[in-house]
Amino acid sequence: QVQLQQWGAGLLKPSETLSLTCAVYGGSFSGYYWSWIRQPPGKGLEWIGEINHSGSTNYNPSLKSRVTISVDTSKNQFSLKLSSVTAADTAVYYCARAAITMVRGVIAANWFDPWGQGTLVTVSS
Amino acid sequence: QSALTQPASVSGSPGQSITISCTGTSSDVGSYNLVSWYQQHPGKAPKLMIYEGSKRPSGVSNRFSGSKSGNTASLTISGLQAEDEADYYCCSYAGVYVFGTGTKVTVL
Repeated sequence: QVQLQQWGAGLLKPSETLSLTCAVYGGSFSGYYWSWIRQPPGKGLEWIGEINHSGSTNYNPSLKSRVTISVDTSKNQFSLKLSSVTAADTAVYYCARAAITMVRGVIAANWFDPWGQGTLVTVSS
Repeated sequence: QSALTQPASVSGSPGQSITISCTGTSSDVGSYNLVSWYQQHPGKAPKLMIYEGSKRPSGVSNRFSGSKSGNTASLTISGLQAEDEADYYCCSYAGVYVFGTGTKVTVL
């Protein structure tokens, strides 16, 4: 049974860089995409981006200029960096496995499961 | 890409059936058969309930079912139980992944 465990700094100052890592235990690392999703307090979910085992990435256009997702296949881990954070980036950040399928010649996820436990990241001066 | 539209809240008595709608556009829900639904209890990570519009993962109760018509997807919970009280989110592929605004389900 696949489990995702994530960690990273929970309190940042404005303009700093958010850094989180997610480790994958108990399953194959290849054959899936690995995503980051966030949820501001009391609000809905927002997809941030994804990476596969080869390092191919896709990002949400609204965050693309500030986001970097990387992978370390030797450790079955993937990481998120979000630069120049502001209070608007305060959220619970989740990592998740994405099962993929081919749609009109494009690889897309048909579901996100399982999810990590979530990390609350607060941006405050 | 705008969030998919869900009702803010839906309620029902134990044993009843409720349906949550998820309205998108011809660029997301209407264009791809890649709608998934997630259940989220307070303080917990979301849990996959339905994928590809109507398929149930192993271990999810058959009281949960999904469907789609045009630009609107729906999640139906039949035989409502106290443990179903949670927030529910839909998600669709649209070149990127777009989530719904979320629906709070209350069991009366």
